[in-house]
Amino acid sequence: QSALTQPPSASGSLGQSVAISCTGTSSDVGTYNHVSWYQQHPGKAPKLMLFEVSKRPSGVPDRYSGSKSGNTASLTVSGLQAEDEAHYYCNSYAGSNNWVFGGGTKLTVL
Amino acid sequence: QVQVVESGGGVVQAGGSLRLSCAASGFTFKKHNMHWVRQTPGKGLEWVAIIEDDGENKNYAKSVKGRFTISRDNSKSTLYLQMNSLRAEDAAVYYCARDGSNWAFDYWGQGALVAVSS
Repeated sequence: QSALTQPPSASGSLGQSVAISCTGTSSDVGTYNHVSWYQQHPGKAPKLMLFEVSKRPSGVPDRYSGSKSGNTASLTVSGLQAEDEAHYYCNSYAGSNNWVFGGGTKLTVL
Repeated sequence: QVQVVESGGGVVQAGGSLRLSCAASGFTFKKHNMHWVRQTPGKGLEWVAIIEDDGENKNYAKSVKGRFTISRDNSKSTLYLQMNSLRAEDAAVYYCARDGSNWAFDYWGQGALVAVSS
């Protein structure tokens, strides 16, 4: 199972919006709406930000949104704040009790 | 509150074995599938293994299949990862993660560091 493809880096200015893509295949992202996104600050454990493509767990700001089209899912962070600067990882279910992560994107808030 | 706490990390020689544990609290452990996920220093996340709630069904990433064994003791609310024939590329921080029954990992531990020496 190959890793999902994410851009290594993304950036946006305070208050702006930024989108991070996550490209898989018809065996994972393209077939299942079981795409989730995780935020990780340096030295910390990952934190679930979105599940089932676009659903937010309790406590996650509505500035975080998700979508999917074909084999590509996207995370959008609106109204960028300094604390949004972190690494972001996508994940997809790939069938038969297999999961696959993306390589991660470092988001810089300018 | 929900907590998962890993232990058992350390330094092991290549070819050696190590067992990680993950103690869960704050939720009904036997009702949740559980996962191990690892992160190579400075690199991304890699899903390692899943065990379903009753311990009957398990699956592994190709990179560890045949060498690692995931197990659980629901009476102790504890998850395990037995790692054999360790290689340099297995060196990583290993996270225990709860499956939130929504196809996502909703709670993570702080991680256990495994180093493999040659």
